[in-house]
Amino acid sequence: RKEVEQDPGPFNVPEGATVAFNCTYSNSASQSFFWYRQDCRKEPKLLMSVYSSGNEDGRFTAQLNRASQYISLLIRDSKLSDSATYLCVVSSGTYKYIFGTGTRLKVLA
Amino acid sequence: DAGVIQSPRHEVTEMGQEVTLRCKPISGHNSLFWYRQTMMRGLELLIYFNNNVPIDDSGMPEDRFSAKMPNASFSTLKIQPSEPRDSAVYFCASTSGGGYGYTFGSGTRLTVV
Repeated sequence: RKEVEQDPGPFNVPEGATVAFNCTYSNSASQSFFWYRQDCRKEPKLLMSVYSSGNEDGRFTAQLNRASQYISLLIRDSKLSDSATYLCVVSSGTYKYIFGTGTRLKVLA
Repeated sequence: DAGVIQSPRHEVTEMGQEVTLRCKPISGHNSLFWYRQTMMRGLELLIYFNNNVPIDDSGMPEDRFSAKMPNASFSTLKIQPSEPRDSAVYFCASTSGGGYGYTFGSGTRLTVV
């Protein structure tokens, strides 16, 4: 079993739609969680950290479910510019991050 | 802030040649990471350094790969001899703490023919 698993997609959604991705992790000792965004042929960039109580940044909401060992990312009012690959990242508290293979999102006009 | 700087951006080399990739982390960041990304395997951690010391190199695929960090502002990843299966995008990243996320460089796209 992979340490971090994501549905590769692609998720094709119309502009303005709400879309959600989940990511599961296997190490129950994991302490830090993030979502990264990666555009085609570019480097991954930090989108947001994920806190235990859940957190929101504009149209983006991240949640953590420790009992079921998954994190989620919700995007409301999707924009064309949201089209990218979204990478789930988990850390056990050291500097070592484990990246999921990503979920591709395509927002359609 | 100049960000994490990698060079070269693109490298095409023949099988058997030595390849050296370079990285300058963000000033003040004390941890540096080398990742490799392919379509099939995603992002794989090759090695990471903390305060210039290699902490975990378990992801280095084989002895053909080596990495050094002679000082806080410079690291190299060397492949000798290179093989076609090493073709990938190699990213360097740095951070000042585990809870702050990494900052990635723009990567080196390596093609071994």
